[in-house]
Amino acid sequence: SQQGEEDPQALSIQEGENATMNCSYKTSINNLQWYRQNSGRGLVHLILIRSNEREKHSGRLRVTLDTSKKSSSLLITASRAADTASYFCATDSGSARQLTFGSGTQLTVLP
Amino acid sequence: DTAVSQTPKYLVTQMGNDKSIKCEQNLGHDTMYWYKQDSKKFLKIMFSYNNKELIINETVPNRFSPKSPDKAHLNLHINSLELGDSAVYFCASSLRGESEQYFGPGTRLTVT
Repeated sequence: SQQGEEDPQALSIQEGENATMNCSYKTSINNLQWYRQNSGRGLVHLILIRSNEREKHSGRLRVTLDTSKKSSSLLITASRAADTASYFCATDSGSARQLTFGSGTQLTVLP
Repeated sequence: DTAVSQTPKYLVTQMGNDKSIKCEQNLGHDTMYWYKQDSKKFLKIMFSYNNKELIINETVPNRFSPKSPDKAHLNLHINSLELGDSAVYFCASSLRGESEQYFGPGTRLTVT
């Protein structure tokens, strides 16, 4: 079953602006991950945040996790046209390391 | 130097045919996965193998049979293809104990 719901489904911004995507999930998790998928390509891992962490940074990416609200957000600062892609959250909830993916946010960064 | 590779990239076939998709990873990972991504980009796990043993088998029709000849390969065979099988199929791999997964480029299957 689908674990994560992402919001918004689509987001269009100008280059240089910040982009924020949100993810909500239903069950307790070991960690939450964000992946990027460029059109016609496979998914690429961006960042992982563990259930005992609240915030994590990687370059222009900032991820927050609120386990009480079962939600996470991904912030991309100073966006570039190359950031145009679909972004998925994925939750790791069990011992089998099975990931359950959200519905994705399509980000378009206009030059 | 491709990490996770899949062949073919595109596969167009008629209903009722049998087809296979191959996946190979050169990352030294011991766990491999097959995912199906539908037209709405929803990604759902189908199978997971660890050291050639099946550890996850989601509700997938028996027409789908994964085969892992060794840790570096996980192939997907599909019998009696149906229109609803049209999707993009992704192979992925990870290291046991690590959650991060590495994905292949995908195989776009179109059943006519």
